[in-house]
Amino acid sequence: EDKVVQSPLSLVVHEGDTVTLNCSYEVTNFRSLLWYKQEKKAPTFLFMLTSSGIEKKSGRLSSILDKKELFSILNITATQTGDSAVYLCAAPNNRKLIWGLGTSLAVNP
Amino acid sequence: ETGVTQTPRHLVMGMTNKKSLKCEQHLGHNAMYWYKQSAKKPLELMFVYSLEERVENNSVPSRFSPECPNSSHLFLHLHTLQPEDSALYLCASSQVGPDPLGYTFGSGTRLTVV
Repeated sequence: EDKVVQSPLSLVVHEGDTVTLNCSYEVTNFRSLLWYKQEKKAPTFLFMLTSSGIEKKSGRLSSILDKKELFSILNITATQTGDSAVYLCAAPNNRKLIWGLGTSLAVNP
Repeated sequence: ETGVTQTPRHLVMGMTNKKSLKCEQHLGHNAMYWYKQSAKKPLELMFVYSLEERVENNSVPSRFSPECPNSSHLFLHLHTLQPEDSALYLCASSQVGPDPLGYTFGSGTRLTVV
């Protein structure tokens, strides 16, 4: 059965820290991996990764995919309280998006 | 707003009530989705409409009834719900194709069944 597993499930850090969130996957006919940030309600799209080893970057956030080891990481540097959210990882198979449980990140001042 | 608008934002209903959730997308996408998000569970796909045709129904109880009158609008009709149906209901849209970009989600409807 296709699955996406995220770790850790929750994380508490202080402002300025760097965090690494993990997402491993076993998905039939893998094509891409997606990262979302969910603050209060709507998950908002962060990155889509399709090629192994190519880092995608947006400000303090970056992500990379390893198709050989079947995982992706999301890095956040110099964290701010506004980064507090649930970070979701998902990958489509032939029929639908397979979602992880998410990592709940709390950034304390 | 993300381009996908959901109403209402919050809904409290009794088990004998009938209500509807509405979703509208302004992105020109050709697929729309209903998801259920419960605490400590992954997002659960409920229904998929692609080109206004329902293409997926993931063993959802019949007390949930979707409707997609056109590619921009999606409804979820609710009747005789149970307390365990209380959850965040998210609508999403995407463009279906060989390389689909990520979904765009609405802000969700927080449903409480009493």
